[in-house]
Amino acid sequence: DTAVSQTPKYLVTQMGNDKSIKCEQNLGHDTMYWYKQDSKKFLKIMFSYNNKELIINETVPNRFSPKSPDKAHLNLHINSLELGDSAVYFCASSQGGKSYNEQFFGPGTRLTVL
Amino acid sequence: GENVEQHPSTLSVQEGDSAVIKCTYSDSASNYFPWYKQELGKRPQLIIDIRSNVGEKKDQRIAVTLNKTAKHFSLHITETQPEDSAVYFCAASKPQAGTALIFGKGTTLSVSS
Repeated sequence: DTAVSQTPKYLVTQMGNDKSIKCEQNLGHDTMYWYKQDSKKFLKIMFSYNNKELIINETVPNRFSPKSPDKAHLNLHINSLELGDSAVYFCASSQGGKSYNEQFFGPGTRLTVL
Repeated sequence: GENVEQHPSTLSVQEGDSAVIKCTYSDSASNYFPWYKQELGKRPQLIIDIRSNVGEKKDQRIAVTLNKTAKHFSLHITETQPEDSAVYFCAASKPQAGTALIFGKGTTLSVSS
């Protein structure tokens, strides 16, 4: 009964390839996020979706494209992978409409670009 | 936009001592301040949070304080144990749906026995 799940857990790929990471939550939340954690452990927001609508799109290269087919899923597709994309990507979810923004994180996907 | 500063970046204590981690934020519209614990190779795990209508909150050995005027909030861990060793992140957020958590840069806490 995992609350927020991601696949795959590890992803090793060559520069220039295209890859996708999938996220699913079974908490009934309507808001989902992608965060990137770099090698210095810094956590930074990339995107957020509320009811399948894009809310936040931080300064992220166009090679990154999120897609939310429904409220329970948020996927991240990355084109033309570069060495600097190596990081851990965390999905998170929260329930909108509350007065506070409690977020729950998935287990992360460690992306290594060779 | 919001900016969160966190200090110290590393903290080493002896088992049984107290540990204090401090954060400041810049945006007075932020109203939610969670603390996450991240063990090596694991996800950030929410350990305690505080909302702007509260000055202090305690959960067993963990407490958090908030000073809205000074835009400071702090995490206090008492009677530290080796299993408290991890990276701790503070964050700040506004209430709107889809708003990001803005994280501090993390504090690596090491508790030696």
